[in-house]
Amino acid sequence: EDQVTQSPEALRLQEGESSSLNCSYTVSGLRGLFWYRQDPGKGPEFLFTLYSAGEEKEKERLKATLTKKESFLHITAPKPEDSATYLCAVSGSARQLTFGSGTQLTVLP
Amino acid sequence: NAGVTQTPKFQVLKTGQSMTLQCAQDMNHEYMSWYRQDPGMGLRLIHYSVGAGITDQGEVPNGYNVSRSTTEDFPLRLLSAAPSQTSVYFCASSYGTAPVNTEAFFGQGTRLTVV
Repeated sequence: EDQVTQSPEALRLQEGESSSLNCSYTVSGLRGLFWYRQDPGKGPEFLFTLYSAGEEKEKERLKATLTKKESFLHITAPKPEDSATYLCAVSGSARQLTFGSGTQLTVLP
Repeated sequence: NAGVTQTPKFQVLKTGQSMTLQCAQDMNHEYMSWYRQDPGMGLRLIHYSVGAGITDQGEVPNGYNVSRSTTEDFPLRLLSAAPSQTSVYFCASSYGTAPVNTEAFFGQGTRLTVV
């Protein structure tokens, strides 16, 4: 059974204070690891897909990395508009996405 | 492009009532799925479809039915609503027949309360 654990559950940062979110996973035959952003009252919005250990992807202030057991979402010099819940999901041998419970990020001005 | 459209956005049901949550996508995606999101539990897969006429169960299928008569539409039916089905429901679609390589597009969600 695929499992995804995200930490911390909640994170409060000052504007400009860089940090990282963690996603630990166990999966049978990783086919993809996904990061999504979810704003209150909205559906998740796709950020990144990572396929193999060592892969990295960047988008503005966000950088996602992948190892064989976990993924990190690094946030550099965050702004208040980066406040959201960040979701991690994995896809393995089954035709399904397994999601973590998310990290709620608050960036204070 | 409308993307994935869910209706209604909010719904209150009484225990035992039935209803259908609607989901439509205009991206010609083969793969469509329904999730429920509960506090602290993340998104859990209810049912999914890899194309018209083909559906399968996810992690939490009990109490829900689906059908896929067209590529565009994937309705979710609650047969006899229970308070445990109070949740936010999301429909998603993606290119291909499995969400293994491509992003999923999500609707805005339906917030359902069963009293």
